Amino acid sequence: KQEVTQIPAALSVPEGENLVLNCSFTDSAIYNLQWFRQDPGKGLTSLLLIQSSQREQTSGRLNASLDKSSGRSTLYIAASQPGDSATYLCAVEGGSEKLVFGKGTKLTVNP
Amino acid sequence: GAVVSQHPSRVICKSGTSVKIECRSLDFQATTMFWYRQFPKQSLMLMATSNEGSKATYEQGVEKDKFLINHASLTLSTLTVTSAHPEDSSFYICSASPNSEQYFGPGTRLTVT
Repeated sequence: KQEVTQIPAALSVPEGENLVLNCSFTDSAIYNLQWFRQDPGKGLTSLLLIQSSQREQTSGRLNASLDKSSGRSTLYIAASQPGDSATYLCAVEGGSEKLVFGKGTKLTVNP
Repeated sequence: GAVVSQHPSRVICKSGTSVKIECRSLDFQATTMFWYRQFPKQSLMLMATSNEGSKATYEQGVEKDKFLINHASLTLSTLTVTSAHPEDSSFYICSASPNSEQYFGPGTRLTVT
């Protein structure tokens, strides 16, 4: 059974700092991995999708990497801003479009 | 990008009543939609896979008679929480995919009093 773990559970940083969020999964036989952002009481916004054959994806200040063999992914956020404050969720798809989520990392960027 | 909507965004109901939540794909057709549930400080858990024109597939531990799913068209799936109890209070989110990327609805906050 696939399990997804995100570390740390919470992170507080000053504005402008670069930061890394970590995600690990137990079964490396994944189809893809997605990073999402969730604002309090809101639905999910997809940030980056990495196919199993890819190593990384970039969008603006965000960079996600994937090491499938070791079961790890990182989300790098450059020059963090207060507007980046949210919970970041990692999810893996093992096929059949079903996603298994981690519990998320709650990020607070202080002005 | 693709848009998925949910209605209502919030609902409060009394214990024992039933509540219907709608999930719509606005600009694409979805033969498959997914329903998730999220308890406070927990990860999203898949409840069921909604299949257009056929029965939904439920995850282990999810009661199909309590969480009725209907996927009557390629753009609409509904989740009905029957005989709701306070422990059903949660955040329910649906998702659909026009390609390999999942798109999520804004979620429905259900509170059962």
